[in-house]
Amino acid sequence: KAGVTQTPRYLIKTRGQQVTLSCSPISGHRSVSWYQQTPGQGLQFLFEYFSETQRNKGNFPGRFSGRQFSNSRSEMNVSTLELGDSALYLCASSSEGRAKNIQYFGAGTRLSVL
Amino acid sequence: GDSVTQMEGPVTLSEEAFLTINCTYTATGYPSLFWYVQYPGEGLQLLLKATKADDKGSNKGFEATYRKETTSFHLEKGSVQVSDSAVYFCALSGDTGGFKTIFGAGTRLFVKA
Repeated sequence: KAGVTQTPRYLIKTRGQQVTLSCSPISGHRSVSWYQQTPGQGLQFLFEYFSETQRNKGNFPGRFSGRQFSNSRSEMNVSTLELGDSALYLCASSSEGRAKNIQYFGAGTRLSVL
Repeated sequence: GDSVTQMEGPVTLSEEAFLTINCTYTATGYPSLFWYVQYPGEGLQLLLKATKADDKGSNKGFEATYRKETTSFHLEKGSVQVSDSAVYFCALSGDTGGFKTIFGAGTRLFVKA
């Protein structure tokens, strides 16, 4: 099975712009979660989608949004970028059933905001 | 709310040394506990897990035991290798409040040859 795929791997944007990141989960996984990883704050949960519905949300401002499509692929969008949004954004997918709490991560998208 | 606290790094060891990375948690109910590892330039990957009290998770020589009485899940390895250099994350996940995984801050491990 192919793993979780995130695109692009690297992005450079300037303040005020917006950005869209993409995540393709493992085939058959319907849950997709997004995390922001920074040296100062560690790994922070953004939101989780399941069957096209947001099921959980972290404590991030409304500039951070996401969606999930019927094929379980997910996108996250950050509008009006700030310097502090520079981070590694990780996507993880998981299955339902006994293994539902195990997260399978992609390699991440590294976003630099200049 | 639920939380995970793990020892700060970096931890620097010589090859073949014994490794312990401490992890304690706060949670309602009976969460599942995990250790994930992140190698440079990669995402996190599951190292081991335990789903109930007294369970021992093990993989690649690493072990951790779910201790409910001390709310701990310490990671151990008897003899580390240079290839074990990575960042290790302790995490918990429960069914209360919906499906969500809470991660610790991560502990960076350096192993010298």
